[in-house]
Amino acid sequence: DVKVTQSSRYLVKRTGEKVFLECVQDMDHENMFWYRQDPGLGLRLIYFSYDVKMKEKGDIPEGYSVSREKKERFSLILESASTNQTSMYLCASSPSGQGAPYNEQFFGPGTRLTVL
Amino acid sequence: GENVEQHPSTLSVQEGDSAVIKCTYSDSASNYFPWYKQELGKGPQLIIDIRSNVGEKKDQRIAVTLNKTAKHFSLHITETQPEDSAVYFCAALLFGDTGRRALTFGSGTRLQVQP
Repeated sequence: DVKVTQSSRYLVKRTGEKVFLECVQDMDHENMFWYRQDPGLGLRLIYFSYDVKMKEKGDIPEGYSVSREKKERFSLILESASTNQTSMYLCASSPSGQGAPYNEQFFGPGTRLTVL
Repeated sequence: GENVEQHPSTLSVQEGDSAVIKCTYSDSASNYFPWYKQELGKGPQLIIDIRSNVGEKKDQRIAVTLNKTAKHFSLHITETQPEDSAVYFCAALLFGDTGRRALTFGSGTRLQVQP
């Protein structure tokens, strides 16, 4: 079974802190994604990556950056955390290949981040 | 921008009844529509998907229908059971301004099946 793990289930940070959210997948997937989940807004794509050292902006990249130095690991970085970044953050991965956009995304359990 | 709208936001049914969740999308070029189920404390998991070359797909108690002309698709769950209680997300593969294709998710439906 595909396993996507996220470094923390719950995280509390202060405004202005630099925050790292880590995601690791064990199925050798090329594609990795970061979403944030907010009530009434569903899942919104922050950034995604189709290969090592490759990144592409999603729908709401402002205030975030990402790093993909290794295939299995995709990090989300909040350069200076703000209270409006309090949310549930979900990481996902999917295989690549010809049918890449149609491939199932496998999600981690999420990190609930609170910024005070 | 392109988006996906999902209704209702909450749905309560009696065990054994049917549940229907509806979504509309704006991008007429969209051709892939998955449904994800999120149980409490877990990440979403794919339960069924449909491509634009078919109008309906069924997998045991769940089915998805697609009307490309009207740009809407629906999830149907028959003979609901308490374990169907979860949040359900529809999604559509949309084309961004740069031609990028990525899933855009609806806002979610919290389904509660009353025993």
